[in-house]
Amino acid sequence: NAGVTQTPKFRVLKTGQSMTLLCAQDMNHEYMYWYRQDPGMGLRLIHYSVGEGTTAKGEVPDGYNVSRLKKQNFLLGLESAAPSQTSVYFCASLSLPYGTQYFGPGTRLLVL
Amino acid sequence: QKEVEQDPGPLSVPEGAIVSLNCTYSNSAFQYFMWYRQYSRKGPELLMYTYSSGNKEDGRFTAQVDKSSKYISLFIRDSQPSDSATYLCAMILNQAGTALIFGKGTTLSVSS
Repeated sequence: NAGVTQTPKFRVLKTGQSMTLLCAQDMNHEYMYWYRQDPGMGLRLIHYSVGEGTTAKGEVPDGYNVSRLKKQNFLLGLESAAPSQTSVYFCASLSLPYGTQYFGPGTRLLVL
Repeated sequence: QKEVEQDPGPLSVPEGAIVSLNCTYSNSAFQYFMWYRQYSRKGPELLMYTYSSGNKEDGRFTAQVDKSSKYISLFIRDSQPSDSATYLCAMILNQAGTALIFGKGTTLSVSS
């Protein structure tokens, strides 16, 4: 049971480049989330999904897109990276009925 | 007023001290309360989970919820250097998959 895994662990992009972050969970959780964490800002929700084929916007969705084609995977895409998207990105999945979230190890993204 | 307020610290204590970490919240509809611990360059890990007002104990950790005052606390007894981390409080409205609302975290340093 690997829990929540994220790929890649670290990436450097140039402004305008695109990339996809992959999140996978093997706990059969319905709900999955993408957060970004910046110094002094805490965890901010980007997008989330309440089931396969569904997605919804969170607090800071601009510049990001997501897809949930399979229940176990949640993809976060950056179509045209900007330096403001330099951050640490965390994926999480939610265990019901207790509402506890389990986090992945994070992806550090640097946009130059 | 932010939904969840948490003093960012930093908080420095000697080994063996009792540590008190606190959060206040404004939405009386929050039902579930969690504390996460996050080590440097790692994802948050669930530490404590409580549903109702009162205390919940797990080893050296005690979580306390006072819904009437909209105040939650985490107490760490006999603190150890390994407790040095950032502690985030989190709360969720219900079991319907609404994403957690996080505090910004308190950084704790325990010196030996």
